[in-house]
Amino acid sequence: SQQGEEDPQALSIQEGENATMNCSYKTSINNLQWYRQNSGRGLVHLILIRSNEREKHSGRLRVTLDTSKKSSSLLITASRAADTASYFCATDGAGGTSYGKLTFGQGTILTVHP
Amino acid sequence: DAGITQSPRHKVTETGTPVTLRCHQTENHRYMYWYRQDPGHGLRLIHYSYGVKDTDKGEVSDGYSVSRSKTEDFLLTLESATSSQTSVYFCAISEPPGEQFFGPGTRLTVL
Repeated sequence: SQQGEEDPQALSIQEGENATMNCSYKTSINNLQWYRQNSGRGLVHLILIRSNEREKHSGRLRVTLDTSKKSSSLLITASRAADTASYFCATDGAGGTSYGKLTFGQGTILTVHP
Repeated sequence: DAGITQSPRHKVTETGTPVTLRCHQTENHRYMYWYRQDPGHGLRLIHYSYGVKDTDKGEVSDGYSVSRSKTEDFLLTLESATSSQTSVYFCAISEPPGEQFFGPGTRLTVL
């Protein structure tokens, strides 16, 4: 079963608006990662947040992590048409058998209209 | 871009035939992974490797086998392809607990 569940499944906004995507997970994690996938391409890593971190920024991206609620959010500020893509969260689970393995959510399809 | 290539990039085959997909890296990462991506399922881990000759099963390993005889190569074999294995297959590499780097994908169609 999928560890990460993402919400919403699809998001449509205008250029310049902010986009927020949420991710929930079920078990303890070492870190949580966000990836982007353009249509027909491989995934590209965006940002990693460790379990002892609460917030992280990278350019126009802001990620928060609430381990008590087992949830994370990705905020893209001042969105651009080029941000149109699918966004996935992935959890790196705590515990020996989970080491090195990521479990991906089903993704949020973001469409940014010019 | 991380040095990961996948071959072939596209393949059409018939039910019951064996198929081997290749992933090649030039980054010397220890871990290599095979995922499949299907609509409505996100990415699901098939098998992964944590070193030469060291492999383990993922979430959806039935019908697939893997081999890693060199650090740079990770092969995924479908012994007898079925229509349910029609999918896009991605290889990834990493040095845990960091990020994974993905290849461009292989689109496989089993008729």
